[in-house]
Amino acid sequence: DAKTTQPTSMDCAEGRAANLPCNHSTISGNEYVYWYRQIHSQGPQYIIHGLKNNETNEMASLIITEDRKSSTLILPHATLRDTAVYYCIVRVGVEYGNKLVFGAGTILRVKS
Amino acid sequence: EPEVTQTPSHQVTQMGQEVILRCVPISNHLYFYWYRQILGQKVEFLVSFYNNEISEKSEIFDDQFSVERPDGSNFTLKIRSTKLEDSAMYFCASRWDRGTDTQYFGPGTRLTVL
Repeated sequence: DAKTTQPTSMDCAEGRAANLPCNHSTISGNEYVYWYRQIHSQGPQYIIHGLKNNETNEMASLIITEDRKSSTLILPHATLRDTAVYYCIVRVGVEYGNKLVFGAGTILRVKS
Repeated sequence: EPEVTQTPSHQVTQMGQEVILRCVPISNHLYFYWYRQILGQKVEFLVSFYNNEISEKSEIFDDQFSVERPDGSNFTLKIRSTKLEDSAMYFCASRWDRGTDTQYFGPGTRLTVL
C-alpha cells in the first residue's frame, strides 16, 4: 500500500470548514484513499473513501487531485465534536482480508 | 444503525493470566479483524479472519494469541499468558463481503496487565 504524508496537527475555528490534506504521491491505479478518525481513545470511525472522483457524504467531502497524488478531506462546518485524529489511508480495495495500516494521522483541534 | 460491540470495556489482569476479549461484529459481515493501540502509539493490525480461518496476521500476533468465532455472532481474541506489554486498547472490526471494503470498528477494550 502506498505511503501517505499528513501534517501533524491543525487548528480550525468552530463553524468554519476544516480542510485536511494528505499526500500519497506513490499511489497506484487500483488503490483507494480512505479517511478514518479517532476521537480520544475510541475505535476508529470511517468517514469516507474514493478512487479518483470527488466524493461527498453526510459527514464530509473528499477531493482527490486529477493525478491522484494528493487529496483533501473537508469537514464543511467543523464543530467541537470533530476534534480528533484524522487518518488518511491508501490501500487496494475489496480484496481478501485487507488490513488497514494506520499512520500517525493529523490531530485536528476545533476551537470555539 | 448496526454497530460492532465489544466486551468488556475494561479488563484488568495479572501478568501470566489468560484473557479473552469478545466482539460481536455487525450481522452479515464476513471479515473480522483485531487491532491494538498501545497508549500514545499508532493503531496496529493484529489479525484478520475469514471463513473460519486466519487470512493474515502481523508479527505481533504470536503463539500467545488466538482468535475464534465460536458461534454465529461472537468473535474472540485470546491471549494465553499476558505480559505487561500487552496493555493496550484492543479494537475489533468487521467488514461485509461485497460492494464495500469499509471496515467498521468497535469501541475497544482497554486491557491493563499488572
